[in-house]
Amino acid sequence: ILNVEQSPQSLHVQEGDSTNFTCSFPSSNFYALHWYRWETAKSPEALFVMTLNGDEKKKGRISATLNTKEGYSYLYIKGSQPEDSATYLCALGTSYDKVIFGPGTSLSVIP
Amino acid sequence: SQTIHQWPATLVQPVGSPLSLECTVEGTSNPNLYWYRQAAGRGLQLLFYSVGIGQISSEVPQNLSASRPQDRQFILSSKKLLLSDSGFYLCAWSGTGFAGYTFGSGTRLTVV
Repeated sequence: ILNVEQSPQSLHVQEGDSTNFTCSFPSSNFYALHWYRWETAKSPEALFVMTLNGDEKKKGRISATLNTKEGYSYLYIKGSQPEDSATYLCALGTSYDKVIFGPGTSLSVIP
Repeated sequence: SQTIHQWPATLVQPVGSPLSLECTVEGTSNPNLYWYRQAAGRGLQLLFYSVGIGQISSEVPQNLSASRPQDRQFILSSKKLLLSDSGFYLCAWSGTGFAGYTFGSGTRLTVV
């Protein structure tokens, strides 16, 4: 069974702080790496999908990097805001039609 | 634009009763469709996925089944619910390329 791990499990930061989370995955099964943001009472929303080793993607204050050889991805949030509070899910795509989700990192940004 | 509809939003069912959750996608053709479940305190678990009409792949043995009677319709069913079937069920679709999944609004199922 493939295992996608995320750390930390939860995180509390002050407004304005920058933060980052880690996603680890078995590099031998890599097809694509997804990041999603899941706000309470909403559906998960896709942030990034990365496919190439060394990929870096950015959307506003959020960015992500990918290392497929060692099997990890980092998600960075610069200058956290209360609206960034959510669970951040990483997911390993093992083929074009199949994705395995990690347990998520729950972020709370304290005003 | 593409939209995904999932219903009902919440459901309370007694043990042993049947289940039918429906998901439809608009604005795209031949999508890949998925059913995920989040049990209490756990991550999203893939239950079923479908790459075409009548084509269903099951990821975990369980009390549930899925069907895809039309290109943009995906149904999750059970003949007899168990307490352990309680959870939050999400339908999702993806197309070709690497745009990620688009999720429905979810169904909170409580089996009592």
